[in-house]
Amino acid sequence: DAKTTQPPSMDCAEGRAANLPCNHSTISGNEYVYWYRQIHSQGPQYIIHGLKNNETNEMASLIITEDRKSSTLILPHATLRDTAVYYCIVRPTDQTGANNLFFGTGTRLTIIP
Amino acid sequence: EAQVTQNPRYLITVTGKKLTVTCSQNMNHEYMSWYRQDPGLGLRQIYYSMNVEVTDKGDVPEGYKVSRKEKRNFPLILESPSPNQTSLYFCASSTTYRTGELFFGEGSRLTVL
Repeated sequence: DAKTTQPPSMDCAEGRAANLPCNHSTISGNEYVYWYRQIHSQGPQYIIHGLKNNETNEMASLIITEDRKSSTLILPHATLRDTAVYYCIVRPTDQTGANNLFFGTGTRLTIIP
Repeated sequence: EAQVTQNPRYLITVTGKKLTVTCSQNMNHEYMSWYRQDPGLGLRQIYYSMNVEVTDKGDVPEGYKVSRKEKRNFPLILESPSPNQTSLYFCASSTTYRTGELFFGEGSRLTVL
């Protein structure tokens, strides 16, 4: 499976858009990009996923470059509750029954009041 | 409310005293799994279950047992806990193993003395 590279930490001012980058240069054509976050020591929370096209839901937007080698998660109006560790995960479409997600070390996002 | 419920949330126990961490989901999900999270090692899959009566080992199964007698429940059993099983444990579920959209429980922090 392709692995991902994320900056270890980022800050963002409250109310501004938070843009979290992820590099997945070895991604293959049948692999999705998933984003999760973990607030303090709570259970990870699914945010969004995509294959080729940009995606948007009520939580965030996901922008995937045309060559699919990188992506950006956008939280449009960050609040203090968005302070968390954000994980970018690559997952094959033909995942085995284990469905084992590799969370890596993620990006620790801190929202500054 | 759709949720994955784990109990206990916190437990301090002693070496060798058998314990069970329960996990229950109310979403009629086929797939369930257990992860442990340790500093510097991220989340690692312990066991998973694709459906009732179907379980298999993840990456770190040693010292653990599971069962899946009912669709909603997936207990994690530590027959003889040891200090190296001190960790933060998460149960997760999804509709099937084919989706990467997992729902996680709030976590169970276990300390083995």
